[in-house]
Amino acid sequence: ETGVTQSPTHLIKTRGQQVTLRCSSQSGHNTVSWYQQALGQGPQFIFQYYREEENGRGNFPPRFSGLQFPNYSSELNVNALELDDSALYLCASSLVQKETQYFGPGTRLLVL
Amino acid sequence: GQQLNQSPQSMFIQEGEDVSMNCTSSSIFNTWLWYKQDPGEGPVLLIALYKAGELTSNGRLTAQFGITRKDSFLNISASIPSDVGIYFCAGYHGSSNTGKLIFGQGTTLQVKP
Repeated sequence: ETGVTQSPTHLIKTRGQQVTLRCSSQSGHNTVSWYQQALGQGPQFIFQYYREEENGRGNFPPRFSGLQFPNYSSELNVNALELDDSALYLCASSLVQKETQYFGPGTRLLVL
Repeated sequence: GQQLNQSPQSMFIQEGEDVSMNCTSSSIFNTWLWYKQDPGEGPVLLIALYKAGELTSNGRLTAQFGITRKDSFLNISASIPSDVGIYFCAGYHGSSNTGKLIFGQGTTLQVKP
């Protein structure tokens, strides 16, 4: 059974640019959630996708958007990057919306 | 608001000692999850709790879902150096109909050999 995978592992961007992060869910899981984790903090919920539709969103601006594909993999897109967007971005998958979430290794984004 | 207060913030203990950490909320949670995170890695699930009063073990780890549904604790017995890391509690708020997991601030554990 393959776990949650994320790409890339690290990324450096400059302010104002756009970024796309990718996530493959664990085998058999149809739900993907994205979290932002700033240094020294717990993860903060960005949004969740269930069967290709957004199912709940945290307190993040519209420049954070996402997609889920028919194979349940997902993308997180961030437009107009700001310095404060520098963080570890975590993807988690689960069987359904409120089941136990299993996390990937994360993508470390640095915005200069 | 939907917040989890995790304590202690950090612990520095001797190898072989037992550890206890807890998580509290002012409102009801339906599920409690405990994760461990190593630097630069994603959180790894340790224990999942689904019912009030539930007591679950995973090796040297034991966690309980509080009867009031507003708290949970995690105990680690006979700590070893590889227990070093950050431990997070997380849960689904009782009134939420989405998959938003709410996390505590984390407990940093250091173990002295």
